[in-house]
Amino acid sequence: GEDVEQSLFLSVREGDSSVINCTYTDSSSTYLYWYKQEPGAGLQLLTYIFSNMDMKQDQRLTVLLNKKDKHLSLRIADTQTGDSAIYFCAEYSSASKIIFGSGTRLSIRP
Amino acid sequence: DVKVTQSSRYLVKRTGEKVFLECVQDMDHENMFWYRQDPGLGLRLIYFSYDVKMKEKGDIPEGYSVSREKKERFSLILESASTNQTSMYLCASSFRGVSNEQFFGPGTRLTVL
Repeated sequence: GEDVEQSLFLSVREGDSSVINCTYTDSSSTYLYWYKQEPGAGLQLLTYIFSNMDMKQDQRLTVLLNKKDKHLSLRIADTQTGDSAIYFCAEYSSASKIIFGSGTRLSIRP
Repeated sequence: DVKVTQSSRYLVKRTGEKVFLECVQDMDHENMFWYRQDPGLGLRLIYFSYDVKMKEKGDIPEGYSVSREKKERFSLILESASTNQTSMYLCASSFRGVSNEQFFGPGTRLTVL
């Protein structure tokens, strides 16, 4: 069945780039998403990429999509303490449903 | 701005109690969803609804039911709460089609004693 996998933890130094990786199984997914969850809050959409794109950039965020390997990554440039959160990779499934990964907790070291 | 609100941020109930979690969205979205979030497991879909009075089972519907009598409101019901239903419950809504972006409420942390 459909599955989205990502590592559970990532620690980076403040000012460095963070790269969060994700693999998915459904090659027919039309949309792939990155959501951010700050402590005590719900999820908020950071960005999404349509499946016919390889890359999408939005300020400090860069999303790379490798359809052949079914690999999605999120790069955050110049990581700040405010970027500490859980980041969820997700793929569009069918009938308006989205499949979420387990989330990667990003922590920032001074 | 899209707003999804949930009736409680924190809830403590006893085993066997009937529990109602309410979710309201103000953007006329057709779709509404209930998830539970547990550490290391991500979000798991409990139930979803495409329209008023319509409901579909998600991946883990056992022990839960839902009600959608009005378009803006989607209720999750635990008929007889059990300790393994202690979790964070997240409600979301979306328009049908386009990017299918889901908008989330702040979550309800339910503890069943």
